[in-house]
Amino acid sequence: GNSVTQMEGPVTLSEEAFLTINCTYTATGYPSLFWYVQYPGEGLQLLLKATKADDKGSNKGFEATYRKETTSFHLEKGSVQVSDSAVYFCALIWPVDTGRRALTFGSGTRLQVQP
Amino acid sequence: SAVISQKPSRDICQRGTSLTIQCQVDSQVTMMFWYRQQPGQSLTLIATANQGSEATYESGFVIDKFPISRPNLTFSTLTVSNMSPEDSSIYLCSTHPGLDTQYFGPGTRLTVL
Repeated sequence: GNSVTQMEGPVTLSEEAFLTINCTYTATGYPSLFWYVQYPGEGLQLLLKATKADDKGSNKGFEATYRKETTSFHLEKGSVQVSDSAVYFCALIWPVDTGRRALTFGSGTRLQVQP
Repeated sequence: SAVISQKPSRDICQRGTSLTIQCQVDSQVTMMFWYRQQPGQSLTLIATANQGSEATYESGFVIDKFPISRPNLTFSTLTVSNMSPEDSSIYLCSTHPGLDTQYFGPGTRLTVL
């Protein structure tokens, strides 16, 4: 079946360190891929997305590239800040022609950035 | 984009009671979704609600426990019935006005004593 696997957290980094959060997926067809972020005490926000192979989503210094050959969508940021401390969720949505339009989420990865 | 509001934002309820959560979208949408996020966990889809038809429930969720209404294209409710402490979670509604991007409401934080 369709699923999303994320690296387990928490991930603890010092400010200005490089961040990678791994995400791989299994899905029938070619899903769209997303990263959502949940800051402490807040709701879920879309961080970035990619809808086809080799697309790169980017936002707020974060990037992720849709790699069909490795079925991956790893999240990266060159220099993290304390304000990036949050839980990050990788997610996919089935192709339009399946008629099933709900998101499948990974387990979430908590990022803690220390000053 | 879509702006989604939920009511209540949080509640503390007694075991055995029921709570109805409201979700309002600022535009007409075909599909609305209800998710549950248990403490420290990821989001799990409860059901998909289309206007004018019965909601479609995911494995492990049943209509008697989580009845859903979808009276029009901008509104839905989820009721958590006969609550137990295991129902303590954040409940989120969401929709996607376009082909892909899905937007979420702020969530309803439910604590069952």
